[in-house]
Amino acid sequence: QVQVVESGGGLVKPGGSLTLSCAASGFTFSDFYMGWVRQAPGKGLEWVSHIDKGETTYHADSVKGRLSISRDNAKNSLYLQMNSLRAEDTAVYYCARISSGVYHGPFEYWGQGTLVTVSS
Amino acid sequence: QSVLTQPPSVSGAPGQRVTISCTGGSSNIGAGYVVHWYQQLPGTAPKLLIYGSTNRPSGVPDRFSGSKSGTSASLAISGLQAEDEADYYCQSYDSSLGGYVFGTGTKVTVL
Repeated sequence: QVQVVESGGGLVKPGGSLTLSCAASGFTFSDFYMGWVRQAPGKGLEWVSHIDKGETTYHADSVKGRLSISRDNAKNSLYLQMNSLRAEDTAVYYCARISSGVYHGPFEYWGQGTLVTVSS
Repeated sequence: QSVLTQPPSVSGAPGQRVTISCTGGSSNIGAGYVVHWYQQLPGTAPKLLIYGSTNRPSGVPDRFSGSKSGTSASLAISGLQAEDEADYYCQSYDSSLGGYVFGTGTKVTVL
């Protein structure tokens, strides 16, 4: 069955860096767009970034220049490189597969999330 | 700051019908982009509930239905059950922002 599993979260100081990983299984990874969505404690969902089947990336204005999405189709893995982290980046980060059946399709499969805490 | 506005909360008795609105603008829902809906139970990841404005993924009960008109969309839950108590989010694409946008979220309470 389709599975996406995030890892790499943790506590980091303001200005620090972290790399999140997402391991995909149960489907042909290279056939799907993938994305990251975050949720700050007690808050709503926020789209962070997504990537097409190759290397074309899209990022929310709030993270442009600091967070960067990438993928390795040979390793069935998605990544989020996080630099210059701020307190407002504190959130649970979800990896999700984007449906290919609908234009601007939904996030159809989600991982369990990994918590990133930015604090001194 | 979400560009899709939802009511903070709605409530209903078991068996009743409730609706959740999702109001956008001319660069997202009003531009013709489809709307998706998610259910998030406490402490869990969101789950896709409605895609393409009106379609249910396999396994989602037909008590859940979606609609879209103009710059707004709605999610209806009929025959409300205790297990429907959760947060619900709409989502679309915004051409001005060049990315996806989520609604502000609505908490559904079963009385």
